[in-house]
Amino acid sequence: DTAVSQTPKYLVTQMGNDKSIKCEQNLGHDTMYWYKQDSKKFLKIMFSYNNKELIINETVPNRFSPKSPDKAHLNLHINSLELGDSAVYFCASSQEGWNSYNEQFFGPGTRLTVL
Amino acid sequence: AQKVTQAQTEISVVEKEDVTLDCVYETRDTTYYLFWYKQPPSGELVFLIRRNSFDEQNEISGRYSWNFQKSTSSFNFTITASQVVDSAVYFCALSERSGLTGGGNKLTFGTGTQLKVEL
Repeated sequence: DTAVSQTPKYLVTQMGNDKSIKCEQNLGHDTMYWYKQDSKKFLKIMFSYNNKELIINETVPNRFSPKSPDKAHLNLHINSLELGDSAVYFCASSQEGWNSYNEQFFGPGTRLTVL
Repeated sequence: AQKVTQAQTEISVVEKEDVTLDCVYETRDTTYYLFWYKQPPSGELVFLIRRNSFDEQNEISGRYSWNFQKSTSSFNFTITASQVVDSAVYFCALSERSGLTGGGNKLTFGTGTQLKVEL
């Protein structure tokens, strides 16, 4: 009964390809996130959705497009992959309120390698 | 802009030693939350603690303790009697209200401290 799951765990692909990473949470949370962790372990937020609505969109290339079909899912599609996209991508979820800052629960990560 | 600084890149200790991981933050918000996460070699991110800006009481959970000092903008983490299983990268993070509609909760992470506990 995994709380936040991501597929695939590993993704190896060629430059220029398009790929997707899927994320699902069964915690009943209303907010989901995508973070990128680079080779130096630096974690940075990319996107956040609250009840299927985009609420955070950091400076991320247009080649990255999140999609939230429902509040339990947040997928990440990446077009025209570049070498610099190689990283570990983490999905996370939390239950948010206007005045609350609850902990985010993270998925296991997807290690993307672009060759 | 919010910022979290973890000045210690790597710390090595011998098992049973106590170790403190430093975290200093910057924010203009009056309401904010601080977090610590652990990332073991297996790669997942494990939530350890959440602390709000109005609660400066120290917290202890088993061998873990946290010292929040608003006056110095620090939220330090101490592991008592360290064990090999404590070896991991530890991240301090700061939550800010952000987003297009003001309802988002964005975590700003420090660069992490790699803790190595040896026998």
